[in-house]
Amino acid sequence: DIVMTQFPLSLPVTPGEPASISCRSSQSLLHSNGNNYLDWYLQKPGQSPQLLIYLGSKRASGVPDRFSGSGSGTDFTLKISKVEAEDVGVYFCVQTLRTPIFTFGPGTKVDLK
Amino acid sequence: QAQLQESGPGLVKPSETLSLTCTVSGGSLSNYYWSWLRQPPGKGLEWIGYIFYSGSTSYNPSLESRVTISLDMSKNHFSLKLTSVTAADTAVYYCTKDVSAVRWFLWGQGTLVTVSS
Repeated sequence: DIVMTQFPLSLPVTPGEPASISCRSSQSLLHSNGNNYLDWYLQKPGQSPQLLIYLGSKRASGVPDRFSGSGSGTDFTLKISKVEAEDVGVYFCVQTLRTPIFTFGPGTKVDLK
Repeated sequence: QAQLQESGPGLVKPSETLSLTCTVSGGSLSNYYWSWLRQPPGKGLEWIGYIFYSGSTSYNPSLESRVTISLDMSKNHFSLKLTSVTAADTAVYYCTKDVSAVRWFLWGQGTLVTVSS
């Protein structure tokens, strides 16, 4: 099975400053079709998860453009250009290449300094 | 904009069957994948399975022997049944919708199911 790791697991952030979260996969998530099957979700406190980024770098509908995803193969990064207070929560990556065994990362808890 | 709402018993006894329904409002079941995921308290997410509007299904291999997902187009809802539950099945259960089988864009609010005698 594919193992997903994230770092850091905890990230204190300052509003207005950039933030970055890394996600690493034990196997390449690059499909022969050129897509990387890696998505990012945010689960705000007390809420359901919400899709932020899919296929590595595609921003989901309604997601602010301060969120961006990059990377290929086994190493991926989620960046927030300027953190806002509403961005706190747990961010997790998930590989969707090796179905039907979707593997989630452990999550990165982002909170305000 | 469609909305999803999970419903069902919040408490299930060990060895019994967990049954949940996800009611879809503001849209039909057609042309979408309808999934169930769960999240044990304080832990990460686990995908349970999906059903396509055509009726085709796919399940997490670790749960496949106990899971059935079905849909009812006339009632605009889809359902989850998980048999022989144990305390390890205690979790918040979410239903989701997407055009893709491998993505979950729209989520319900989630419902906590506790397995306890």
